[in-house]
Amino acid sequence: GQQLNQSPQSMFIQEGEDVSMNCTSSSIFNTWLWYKQDPGEGPVLLIALYKAGELTSNGRLTAQFGITRKDSFLNISASIPSDVGIYFCAGLRSGGTSYGKLTFGQGTILTVHP
Amino acid sequence: DGGITQSPKYLFRKEGQNVTLSCEQNLNHDAMYWYRQDPGQGLRLIYYSQIVNDFQKGDIAEGYSVSREKKESFPLTVTSAQKNPTAFYLCASSIPTGSRGYTFGSGTRLTVV
Repeated sequence: GQQLNQSPQSMFIQEGEDVSMNCTSSSIFNTWLWYKQDPGEGPVLLIALYKAGELTSNGRLTAQFGITRKDSFLNISASIPSDVGIYFCAGLRSGGTSYGKLTFGQGTILTVHP
Repeated sequence: DGGITQSPKYLFRKEGQNVTLSCEQNLNHDAMYWYRQDPGQGLRLIYYSQIVNDFQKGDIAEGYSVSREKKESFPLTVTSAQKNPTAFYLCASSIPTGSRGYTFGSGTRLTVV
């Protein structure tokens, strides 16, 4: 099945640094979602985006729905050790065989050094 | 509180055995999904169900089977035909459109011994 192109694959940063990651696709999506997965747990929804150009924040997290509807970005400001985990983007197209089915990125593994 | 529960958290299987992973949700979601996650890899869709008594194959359905007899439950059986079953399995549920995203369970780690 199709996957979104998520980058970077992994990041090693110092506590306090800002983080940026993105997802791109050759297809248009109507909804973009960002999840975080803690080690040994299921992914948890962080931010949902529904409109091209939309910028949404959740605490230190900010995500944007790209104008072309083919990409999305997630920024984490002032990282802390508990930000460690895998971050996934997911896109949703409406209708047809894609109805209700999310397309996931491969994930960005974030490591934060104290 | 509503949620989605997977059990057991850890499961060990001998080669040649079938095992069933449980997934129960009380979110009143119509759609349910099973994903497989291998180390360093993303989520791969095994099966999904958008309504009771109906389910569809995902990208890697070979060696797996499911049933959807109740709205709340979507068990996954890993059969002996699955050649490399050791992985982390995630169950999820959503409203039919998926537009609010999926709610995931906490996963089952299956190890073949």
